Amino acid sequence: IQLTQSPSSLSASVGDRITITCRASQDIRNDLGWYQQKPGKAPKGLIYAASRLQSGVPSRFRGSGSETEFTLTISNLQPEDFATYYCLQHNSYPALTFGGGTKVEIK
Amino acid sequence: EVQLVESGGGLVQPGGSLRLSCAASGFTFSTYEMIWVRQAPGKGLEWVSHISAAGGTIYYADSVKGRFTISRDNAKNSLYLRMDSLRADDTAIYYCARLEMATIQWYYYYYVDIWGKGTTVTVSS
Repeated sequence: IQLTQSPSSLSASVGDRITITCRASQDIRNDLGWYQQKPGKAPKGLIYAASRLQSGVPSRFRGSGSETEFTLTISNLQPEDFATYYCLQHNSYPALTFGGGTKVEIK
Repeated sequence: EVQLVESGGGLVQPGGSLRLSCAASGFTFSTYEMIWVRQAPGKGLEWVSHISAAGGTIYYADSVKGRFTISRDNAKNSLYLRMDSLRADDTAIYYCARLEMATIQWYYYYYVDIWGKGTTVTVSS
């Protein structure tokens, strides 16, 4: 199963709303999560089961989608949200697949 | 505090071997499935290997199958990754991570909820 993220990078301003898309090469139900990674740091979990927030994740992060198309929306973008975001599927568990990543930069 | 701490990374020549360790603390290690994930310099994340809670079920990415061996010692709260026949394209930061499972309407959802800080492996002559 391949995951294709788009765009590969985007520029946005604090307060903006942004959307990142992850497309799966086949139907993966809602077996998808989202992760945030800042430079030099380990990834951090945001979303699982396509739309459920991991513990402690702010509500401005929203995941949606099913089957082959998924989105991560971040509302009211905060300075700490500038990072790279990855989707991860577990439909082929235990083999997992990450998307290629989307870098969110400050405009 | 729930924590994973990797160690064992370093510089190794092509064809060489290395053993990574991951020390777990703050949770009941023996009840969790664990994975290794790596990230080559400037690249994205790649799942490497998975081991079940008791250690009886193991899986590898095709890129490392036959060269890497995952194992765990639940008595020592530790996860390991033995890497043999190392190649330049194995150069990466290696993260150990805890796999959490949620049951929603009788369906299992897996996600990584705890990550270590990573250990760097450089394969170069």
